Amino acid sequence: AQRVTQPEKLLSVFKGAPVELKCNYSYSGSPELFWYVQYSRQRLQLLLRHISRESIKGFTADLNKGETSFHLKKPFAQEEDSAMYYCALSGGSNYKLTFGKGTLLTVNP
Amino acid sequence: EAGVVQSPRYKIIEKKQPVAFWCNPISGHNTLYWYLQNLGQGPELLIRYENEEAVDDSQLPKDRFSAERLKGVDSTLKIQPAELGDSAVYLCASSLYGRTGGHSGELFFGEGSRLTVL
Repeated sequence: AQRVTQPEKLLSVFKGAPVELKCNYSYSGSPELFWYVQYSRQRLQLLLRHISRESIKGFTADLNKGETSFHLKKPFAQEEDSAMYYCALSGGSNYKLTFGKGTLLTVNP
Repeated sequence: EAGVVQSPRYKIIEKKQPVAFWCNPISGHNTLYWYLQNLGQGPELLIRYENEEAVDDSQLPKDRFSAERLKGVDSTLKIQPAELGDSAVYLCASSLYGRTGGHSGELFFGEGSRLTVL
């Protein structure tokens, strides 16, 4: 079974502060992990995926198989980063994308 | 490109009434998904199509929910009869994802259809 856990429903930081959104997963095989984001009044969209090892809008995420985690990090948060963030997992050949419950990030001025 | 188009955006019905949602995926996307999103929760897969074939409908409550994707393009999700607990946002997504084409993990979502059952 695939499971994604985002332990924080709400996260509030000040502009310029570092931010880390936590994601832990459960999957017996070799997973692919993603972060999706939903800005206010916009549709859900892909932010980044672990296989790309890329930085998008200053965000990075590293897959830690030992800790089964895929935390999303940004060194200096901006107000425009305020949004709902969902961690998602795709397991093997079933192409099923399982989402966590999401973390609402608020960046205060 | 309009992206994934869903209609209606909002629907209010009384319990036991039927309701249908429509989705038009991005042109050329062979894979289509219907997700259910309850308040404060992440999206949960209801059904996934590759072309016109439903390849994963294990989470679809088949006693009252049905879906179809005729001709492998547009899709309709129906609930009959609706119950109070069906109040949620129904999301449609599409991708170039699937058993034959490999996958990138990128789903393109519509704006969703918000259902309220009274």
